[in-house]
Amino acid sequence: QKEVEQNSGPLSVPEGAIASLNCTYSDRGSQSFFWYRQYSGKSPELIMSIYSNGDKEDGRFTAQLNKASQYVSLLIRDSQPSDSATYLCAVNPPGYSTLTFGKGTMLLVSP
Amino acid sequence: DVKVTQSSRYLVKRTGEKVFLECVQDMDHENMFWYRQDPGLGLRLIYFSYDVKMKEKGDIPEGYSVSREKKERFSLILESASTNQTSMYLCASSLHRAEDNEQFFGPGTRLTVL
Repeated sequence: QKEVEQNSGPLSVPEGAIASLNCTYSDRGSQSFFWYRQYSGKSPELIMSIYSNGDKEDGRFTAQLNKASQYVSLLIRDSQPSDSATYLCAVNPPGYSTLTFGKGTMLLVSP
Repeated sequence: DVKVTQSSRYLVKRTGEKVFLECVQDMDHENMFWYRQDPGLGLRLIYFSYDVKMKEKGDIPEGYSVSREKKERFSLILESASTNQTSMYLCASSLHRAEDNEQFFGPGTRLTVL
């Protein structure tokens, strides 16, 4: 059974703080990992992808991957109210062209 | 820029009607997907397709069928709509590459079945 687990939240942070979103996955052979942002009533938007252990930075976003611990995280620095959304973690299991999605973590950034 | 479009943003249908949801992508992607998204249940894969005329069942195919006659177009069909099919329907596409499989989503169709 392919599973991706996320804390549903909401995770509340003040404006300017670092938001840390976490995700664990069950399929050890997974190779590709993605973070999507979804605003209420809208469709998911890809914001980060990561394929190898370590950190990947893109602007205020940093994705972190630890395959040994089967753990992916997303850090958002200098959080803004416009970052308030649900963040979905997605994992590509080995041998599949599909993605397994977590149920998402709701992030609330207060001014 | 990848563009995935869906035929309707909002749709209201009656129980028993046959419903067609259309999805078109303009980036020559091989893979196309249909999901539904419900509060508390997350994204659930209904059907996907690797190529023209190819289809594979996802996690919840019951009550749905699909059609892919052209590479850029993937249709979801509700043969006889029921109230439990009221949901947000999302189409996505991706390249058929082993190394990444990033999926790009359309804007979604919010379907209400009365």
